Amino acid sequence: KAGVTQTPRYLIKTRGQQVTLSCSPISGHRSVSWYQQTPGQGLQFLFEYFSETQRNKGNFPGRFSGRQFSNSRSEMNVSTLELGDSALYLCASSLTASGNTIYFGEGSWLTVV
Amino acid sequence: GQQLNQSPQSMFIQEGEDVSMNCTSSSIFNTWLWYKQDPGEGPVLLIALYKAGELTSNGRLTAQFGITRKDSFLNISASIPSDVGIYFCAGQENGQNFVFGPGTRLSVLP
Repeated sequence: KAGVTQTPRYLIKTRGQQVTLSCSPISGHRSVSWYQQTPGQGLQFLFEYFSETQRNKGNFPGRFSGRQFSNSRSEMNVSTLELGDSALYLCASSLTASGNTIYFGEGSWLTVV
Repeated sequence: GQQLNQSPQSMFIQEGEDVSMNCTSSSIFNTWLWYKQDPGEGPVLLIALYKAGELTSNGRLTAQFGITRKDSFLNISASIPSDVGIYFCAGQENGQNFVFGPGTRLSVLP
């Protein structure tokens, strides 16, 4: 059974650009959550999607958005990139909404220059 | 947002030694998860705990769900070099999203 797959693994963007990250959850999992990980702030919750609907959202500005497709795959988008957006973006999947077991992908490393 | 307290922040141990780390919260949780993260990789789930007092093992790893439901413990026995990494705890209140500890960085000296 394939795990959580995230693409791309690494990317470099310039300030002001926008970026889209993709996540394919474990087969059969319908909930996808996104997290930002930085050395200073640790793992911070961005948002959760279930059945193509955003269920919860963390304390991030509106530049951070996401969506989920009917096959449960999810994308997150960050617009007008800032240097402080440089981070490891992790996707996690679970069977159900706010599931009690979540599995992470390997992450997408974003560097903003 | 809320974060858990995790201790120690880092530890250096000799290969073969046992390791203990813990995680505490001001909130009552229904689920505790423990993860290990290697450099440049995503966190890998080690152990999941769903019931107060529960003690669960995964090879040389053992974790416990504290009876107050505000803490959890992870023990690693007979450490080996590949145990090096950052160990995270995560707690969940009923139906809420998980909150994470800052991690314990483990170094194993040969």
